Amino acid sequence: NAGVTQTPKFRILKIGQSMTLQCAQDMNHNYMYWYRQDPGMGLKLIYYSVGAGITDKGEVPNGYNVSRSTTEDFPLRLELAAPSQTSVYFCASSYVDLGIETDTQYFGPGTRLTVL
Amino acid sequence: SQKIEQNSEALNIQEGKTATLTCNYTNYSPAYLQWYRQDPGRGPVFLLLIRENEKEKRKERLKVTFDTTLKQSLFHITASQPADSATYLCALVVQNRYGGSQGNLIFGKGTKLSVKP
Repeated sequence: NAGVTQTPKFRILKIGQSMTLQCAQDMNHNYMYWYRQDPGMGLKLIYYSVGAGITDKGEVPNGYNVSRSTTEDFPLRLELAAPSQTSVYFCASSYVDLGIETDTQYFGPGTRLTVL
Repeated sequence: SQKIEQNSEALNIQEGKTATLTCNYTNYSPAYLQWYRQDPGRGPVFLLLIRENEKEKRKERLKVTFDTTLKQSLFHITASQPADSATYLCALVVQNRYGGSQGNLIFGKGTKLSVKP
């Protein structure tokens, strides 16, 4: 299993440009998440999904959009990039059974995004 | 307001000693708490989970305690090694809108541990 994969690893955007960060998992996990991590700060949840077709906002959703058309993929869309979106973005997934509350999350390697 | 704090940004210890990292929280009622390890340029990796009704959990050289009265978790690494040098994150699990406590991990900022030979 590849686990959680993210592309690209690095990207530089100009203000106002758009891009999609790709995330895929091959563990048949039902939950998927997007976080951002700024230097010296904790991981902040942007969006999460509890299954295909269901997404929900996290703590910092403004400026981002997501979709979950399949179990495996959870892309994150930035529509109008701003310098405040310069960060490292992590995708994660977990298998959640409501009868067994564990929610161990498996993280991808991250995408380092710079907006100039 | 709700807060989760890890005691220090950095902790330096000598090889062989026990490292103790602290995670404090306010205004949360977590169902459980997790600890992750993060190496530079990589995503966090899960280490241990402890539930609210558990006082202590062990895994090899790692030990976690959870005191819901003090609202604190302690993470210990015994017989520390230079390879243990990394940033350690604690994360609380809070309830999501779908009724379960899955899906909402609130992360602390992390403590960077350096183990010197």
